[in-house]
Amino acid sequence: DAGVIQSPRHEVTEMGQEVTLRCKPISGHDYLFWYRQTMMRGLELLIYFNNNVPIDDSGMPEDRFSAKMPNASFSTLKIQPSEPRDSAVYFCASSLMTGQGIQYFGAGTRLSVL
Amino acid sequence: KQEVTQIPAALSVPEGENLVLNCSFTDSAIYNLQWFRQDPGKGLTSLLLIQSSQREQTSGRLNASLDKSSGRSTLYIAASQPGDSATYLCAVSTSGTYKYIFGTGTRLKVLA
Repeated sequence: DAGVIQSPRHEVTEMGQEVTLRCKPISGHDYLFWYRQTMMRGLELLIYFNNNVPIDDSGMPEDRFSAKMPNASFSTLKIQPSEPRDSAVYFCASSLMTGQGIQYFGAGTRLSVL
Repeated sequence: KQEVTQIPAALSVPEGENLVLNCSFTDSAIYNLQWFRQDPGKGLTSLLLIQSSQREQTSGRLNASLDKSSGRSTLYIAASQPGDSATYLCAVSTSGTYKYIFGTGTRLKVLA
């Protein structure tokens, strides 16, 4: 398997624009996680899904953020409208319930909002 | 609210040294604990996972221990190499979930 695949790797946008980040988890994994990493706050869990169903979205910072998982092989994280303080690296990770919780991370999307 | 702290924030050692990275957490009711490695510009790689019922795990030159009662874990790296240079993060999950709280990491540099 190619691992967790995220796209795009880099995104530069202007304040107010809509941003969509994409993630393809490892085939067969039943958990998917979205994280945000910044120098100030470190790595924070935004939301996670189990079998395509959102389980905990308490880390989503504002209503401007939304995440979907329409099927087992694809998830999106959308920010609308984007703001400069959203600039960060966003990671997607997946895991298998029977895998003791070991998480496999994608390479991340570096988002810059100007 | 669970808080995870890692000390030191940065560490620089000569090649060949054995070293210990520390992780402490405030709530001992954890499900499991993972140690991750992050290289610059890359995602995280899971190194070791310790379940709450375990005391330690080993993989090659790495050994991680867990003391739930004192809220501590250590990652021991034997005979360090320049290739070990990276940021090491620990993360704990709350009981019964796979929701992880991450520490801020220790940035390790091993000098050749």
